[in-house]
Amino acid sequence: EPEVTQTPSHQVTQMGQEVILRCVPISNHLYFYWYRQILGQKVEFLVSFYNNEISEKSEIFDDQFSVERPDGSNFTLKIRSTKLEDSAMYFCASSAFMNQPQHFGDGTRLSIL
Amino acid sequence: AQRVTQPEKLLSVFKGAPVELKCNYSYSGSPELFWYVQYSRQRLQLLLRHISRESIKGFTADLNKGETSFHLKKPFAQEEDSAMYYCALRNNAGNMLTFGGGTRLMVKP
Repeated sequence: EPEVTQTPSHQVTQMGQEVILRCVPISNHLYFYWYRQILGQKVEFLVSFYNNEISEKSEIFDDQFSVERPDGSNFTLKIRSTKLEDSAMYFCASSAFMNQPQHFGDGTRLSIL
Repeated sequence: AQRVTQPEKLLSVFKGAPVELKCNYSYSGSPELFWYVQYSRQRLQLLLRHISRESIKGFTADLNKGETSFHLKKPFAQEEDSAMYYCALRNNAGNMLTFGGGTRLMVKP
């Protein structure tokens, strides 16, 4: 069964550094998402992406965050200048169409020092 | 604003006992509700969605609009059901999922 894949599984970064989290959505899916889960808290929506542009974003997704689909397979989340509070598990998801279920990757654990 | 509440962080039952994981939501429109499951060291997986009205792995969930609930039930719990269970809501205006805090189900032998 096709899966969403995320790399790396764990990223450790110094505060203030830029970090890029990578995702390969399921190949025939058109909608892509990022969520995050701070330790002990809820899974929170960050952004959704369709047709090469952001379709929806939350208040969390401020100017420090950006998303990109640099080629036909990858979907990336960039945090420009990381803060301690960015430490979390980041999940990528994709869905075939807008009202179809979202399939999640294993997540990337981001640790900011 | 939409909100999903799972009042129990931990639910512990014996094998063969009935299970009910509670989920309440607040949303003024017509939501779509989901249950996701996360087994140990695995990814979030869709368990079921209310519009499908199906039973997966013996679990069922009925959307009760009057009580704004979407409780997950199984008549006889199995040890392999032990996992984190997340209730989630999608509104009819967009595509974002709003998650509850999750309930850890432990099924003891």
